[in-house]
Amino acid sequence: GAVVSQHPSRVICKSGTSVKIECRSLDFQATTMFWYRQFPKQSLMLMATSNEGSKATYEQGVEKDKFLINHASLTLSTLTVTSAHPEDSSFYICSARDPQGQDNEQFFGPGTRLTVL
Amino acid sequence: EDQVTQSPEALRLQEGESSSLNCSYTVSGLRGLFWYRQDPGKGPEFLFTLYSAGEEKEKERLKATLTKKESFLHITAPKPEDSATYLCAVQARGTSYGKLTFGQGTILTVHP
Repeated sequence: GAVVSQHPSRVICKSGTSVKIECRSLDFQATTMFWYRQFPKQSLMLMATSNEGSKATYEQGVEKDKFLINHASLTLSTLTVTSAHPEDSSFYICSARDPQGQDNEQFFGPGTRLTVL
Repeated sequence: EDQVTQSPEALRLQEGESSSLNCSYTVSGLRGLFWYRQDPGKGPEFLFTLYSAGEEKEKERLKATLTKKESFLHITAPKPEDSATYLCAVQARGTSYGKLTFGQGTILTVHP
């Protein structure tokens, strides 16, 4: 299957700082990528859909000014958590759909564990 | 609103003890139902996509089936390495490709 990478895998930051997470599709071009967050022992919640060359689409209740998404190329999307606070601590996972894929599946990155002190 | 409910929340099996996981869903027109496996601290790994009632797919010890209201993931003669959280997700018609609604998952533990 297609490969999606994320960087960093783990980040610890102080409250009030901003953190950028990168998501890359390694062997396919993804016009659309997706950002999820997952709290301990809970399922994945879609935060936003990242569209190459246009604005991201945010799910209800997600602050677009706090979670900045940029999809500057067909293989890279970034999520910036601005002015992070302890309640933003979570597991952030990106995914991408391979347009050439046969099964309409999304491929997920390995996730980024964010801890805000 | 699309909803996905998985049961049981946790399942403990002995190696070789076959069982099934359930995924009940309500969706305004199903485009696809997806099964993923997630290991601790990692992103979900794709297993299957099912599109219509009556469809079945198999991969090694796993078989997924679909009806109009639910999907089952059957695990035959599981091994300890099958231990993981199994996630079910639906994609509705009329939504952008890729928008998935996930269930809360079933944590499977297989003891040797």
